[in-house]
This record gives sequence, C-alpha cells and structure tokens, in this order.
Amino acid sequence: EDQVTQSPEALRLQEGESSSLNCSYTVSGLRGLFWYRQDPGKGPEFLFTLYSAGEEKEKERLKATLTKKESFLHITAPKPEDSATYLCAVQAPSNTGKLIFGQGTTLQVKP
Amino acid sequence: EPEVTQTPSHQVTQMGQEVILRCVPISNHLYFYWYRQILGQKVEFLVSFYNNEISEKSEIFDDQFSVERPDGSNFTLKIRSTKLEDSAMYFCAQTSSRYNEQFFGPGTRLTVL
Repeated sequence: EDQVTQSPEALRLQEGESSSLNCSYTVSGLRGLFWYRQDPGKGPEFLFTLYSAGEEKEKERLKATLTKKESFLHITAPKPEDSATYLCAVQAPSNTGKLIFGQGTTLQVKP
Repeated sequence: EPEVTQTPSHQVTQMGQEVILRCVPISNHLYFYWYRQILGQKVEFLVSFYNNEISEKSEIFDDQFSVERPDGSNFTLKIRSTKLEDSAMYFCAQTSSRYNEQFFGPGTRLTVL
C-alpha cells in the first residue's frame, strides 16, 4: 500500500535556527513528490515538485531534496512568517494524478 | 500561482440534508479533484474527474457522493444525505496536466449537525 510518513509531527524553532523536515514514502513507481504549505483554515499552497532522486529545488529560505526513499525540506534561517504546516504528497503511478498525503509537520518559529 | 475559487466557504447543514459544493474552473485546467480533511487529520483523496467523467474514486466516495461539471461550468461535489462524519474541510484541486502540481482552493468547511 502506498504510504507517506512525515516527521517530526511538530517542530518549534527560534528565528534563524535552521532545521529539516522529513518525508519518507513507500510507493511502487513514484511519479512525483510534492511539498505544500498549509496555513490554519486554508487550502494547501504549492511549494515544490520533485520527480527523480538527486533532484533539488529552492525557494527563498526553503530547499527540497529527494532520494529514492525520502525527501527533506530544509529551512534555512527561518522567520516567524514561515510558521505553518508543511505537507508532503506523492503521486502514485495511476493514470489520474491523485495525491497521497502525509499527516504534515507543524512548524512554529518564535521571534 | 492560479487562484482557485470555492463556494461556499462555510456550510452548516442538518444530518440527512443534501449539500452541493462548488469549484470554479481555471481556463486551461483539465483535471479536477476533490479532497477532504477532517479536523486534525491528513488530506484524503476523494475523486478525480477528467473529460466529464470520473477517472478514479476512493473508498470514501460511496453512493452518497457525486460529481459533475455540467456544460463546462462549475465543478461540483454533491453529498445526497449528509452524515455527522461528513463534517470536514473539502478542497477542490485543479491542474493542466495530471502529473503537474495541483492547485488547491481555500476549501469549504462543512459542518453537519
């Protein structure tokens, strides 16, 4: 069964304290791995897509990497406005493009 | 990022009533999805829709649920007879290509009393 597990469930950082979020997955034939940001009561906001092992994407203080079994979202020198829940999702090799989500990591950055 | 619109933002209904949730299509988006998120839980896939027909549905998407996009207009999710356990956030997602990123709407918060 296709599965996505994110760790830690919650992470508290001081402003400027860099860290990484983990997303491990088991899927037979990964089509793509997606990172989204979700603010409370809002819809997921797209951040990155990764398609193959070794691929990296960057956007401001965020950097996403992919291996054959997991992905990391690195946050460098975070600011309070980076506080949100970060969701990882994989796309299985069905023909429909459906996403399978992990439970998310809730990040709190304190000033 | 394309802005996906969903209506209503919040719907309160009595158990057993029918509800219709709506999502406005963006012009070049061909693939449509409904997901739901029960409070405190993960986002779950419900159904995918392409070329005016369902392409895949989850176990959650039973006979109480239906989707349609009549005449290229709004993409809708109908729940015929709501249950307490249908209370959740319902998100519409869209994309131009099924293997590209999906863009999510702000969601409809459904509360069943």
